[in-house]
Amino acid sequence: DQQVKQNSPSLSVQEGRISILNCDYTNSMFDYFLWYKKYPAEGPTFLISISSIKDKNEDGRFTVFLNKSAKHLSLHIVPSQPGDSAVYFCAASGQGGSEKLVFGKGTKLTVNP
Amino acid sequence: DSGVTQTPKHLITATGQRVTLRCSPRSGDLSVYWYQQSLDQGLQFLIQYYNGEERAKGNILERFSAQQFPDLHSELNLSSLELGDSALYFCASSEVGSWTQYFGPGTRLLVL
Repeated sequence: DQQVKQNSPSLSVQEGRISILNCDYTNSMFDYFLWYKKYPAEGPTFLISISSIKDKNEDGRFTVFLNKSAKHLSLHIVPSQPGDSAVYFCAASGQGGSEKLVFGKGTKLTVNP
Repeated sequence: DSGVTQTPKHLITATGQRVTLRCSPRSGDLSVYWYQQSLDQGLQFLIQYYNGEERAKGNILERFSAQQFPDLHSELNLSSLELGDSALYFCASSEVGSWTQYFGPGTRLLVL
């Protein structure tokens, strides 16, 4: 039973354009959502997070939107750069007070020059 | 660099053997988490320690065990290894009161 889903295994965008990565979750008890970026042969790197009491959080080129009624969040990267090419993981936490992260299976983003 | 270190980076061993993976959390972080990333399952939570005590357990096999020492480093012990245990094992740490976890570079385990 996959509680966090990233339905697009891959996404390709042009440099300078917007990248939108999507994530859906099934459990309304999650309190906190995070996005991680992962390069091959490295550990996940924390990018940005959002609490369930907010609907938007912005950090530089990265913005995360949360739609609780739809149980959906998205990560916007504007403008996209070739160095953003990586696998992006959505994760959720806080279910029943648990600090463990529940991950989606990732979306591979390719930003073409 | 997240500040979380893991050793070894790579490990090749045979079925039936036992290995120990080591993790040092970021300075000041009391919580340590272990995750397994396999090709078909994605990143799966195994176990969490907080200041030396087990706090939460996930999909961790009985053949696997972990501990956190007084200096806060943690070890994940994998025994009676099977081919299916081949995966990337990540350690993460977080500070008190924070939901954000910072990950180490991982240990790639190959069981032949």
